Order: sequence, then C-alpha cells, then structure tokens
Amino acid sequence: GESVGLHLPTLSVQEGDNSIINCAYSNSASDYFIWYKQESGKGPQFIIDIRSNMDKRQGQRVTVLLNKTVKHLSLQIAATQPGDSAVYFCAETGGSNYKLTFGKGTLLTVNP
Amino acid sequence: DAGVIQSPRHEVTEMGQEVTLRCKPISGHNSLFWYRQTMMRGLELLIYFNNNVPIDDSGMPEDRFSAKMPNASFSTLKIQPSEPRDSAVYFCASSEADRGSVTQYFGPGTRLTVL
Repeated sequence: GESVGLHLPTLSVQEGDNSIINCAYSNSASDYFIWYKQESGKGPQFIIDIRSNMDKRQGQRVTVLLNKTVKHLSLQIAATQPGDSAVYFCAETGGSNYKLTFGKGTLLTVNP
Repeated sequence: DAGVIQSPRHEVTEMGQEVTLRCKPISGHNSLFWYRQTMMRGLELLIYFNNNVPIDDSGMPEDRFSAKMPNASFSTLKIQPSEPRDSAVYFCASSEADRGSVTQYFGPGTRLTVL
C-alpha cells in the first residue's frame, strides 16, 4: 500500500556540519508534509511544514525541500548542534484532511 | 500556552489488569488522536476523534482497546485486559483539522509496561 519511508535510518555528523535527512513518499495525493523531531523520552515536536504547491521552505536553521516529480522530501539542518540529536520523522497527509502517515524515522547523532 | 497533557507518564502493570491512559488536548483543538509507538512498528494511529466523536478507529488493535472522549478537553484510552505485547509508548495528539490545519501537536506520552 501507500507508505512513507526513509532512506537512512541513522545519520552521524560533526557539530557545525550541515545535516540532510531524506524521506521518500509514494502517495501522489499528498498535499501537505511535516517534519517532526523526537528527542529521547519526549513526544514528536513540530519543526517545519510544506505544502505541495511549494518546492522549498526555510525556517530557523532548517530548510525543507520537496521534489514532487520523484516524490522526495528532505530536511536540511544548518550548523548542526548537539541539541539537534534526535529522531526525525517525515509525515504526509496522503490525501486525507486529518490523518498523517509517518515514516519510520532517522536517528541523527551530532558528535561534539 | 499548555500543550497536550497526558497522564500518567509511566505505568507498570501486570498482565490482565485494566489500564487507563488520559489526555487533555490543546484548548480549542477539535481533533484528537491516539498513537502507539514501538521500535518494531514505529508510530501507529489507533483512533481519531473529531468534535468528540470517534471518526476512525481502524487502528485499534482489538476489542481489548477502547477510547472515549466525553468532552472537548478530555479523552481516555483503556486496555482491558492488558497483555505484555501492549507495552509501548502511547501518545495523544491534537489538531485543528476542522479549520484546515492538519498539523498535530503531541503530548509527552505514557510509557506502558505490562509484565
């Protein structure tokens, strides 16, 4: 069935480097995408979102890129800090007006 | 502003016991979701309420699981009887789906251990 998946289950970077976390989705009806950050022992926290009529959206130190042609979503974190260490999930609507489908998550580890 | 509130944060119980998890959504949000998270399955949607009415319960594992939302500020997820395979972190989330926003805001979760 339709699903959201992640290319890399783990990513390890040095403090100060830029991080790129990728996500593939298969439901062409998805019109809204969200990145969540989940720190150990906490619930997923909203980071940034993007609608399907956009290719790029920037936040504070984070950028989300959407390539609808290949159904690919990425989260870029600039100047990665130890506090960025967490599991990152992409989520998509899959055509639903309420339900989100979550990917498996990528564990980002930032080495000092 | 207070976010989604869940209680208890941790629950340890023995197989066969009844477990009740509680959630208070963000004030003004009219949609509420219960999720279960495990290493093997990731985040699974169990049930979705809109304006206190269950809309989609297709993710509820079996009859041992039940959820209620008696009013806009309170929901419960009950497991009776509990089994060791129910051990997981249970999250509650809320959103303003009716107002066109599907972004869900999560609570801190309840870590359930069934011995």
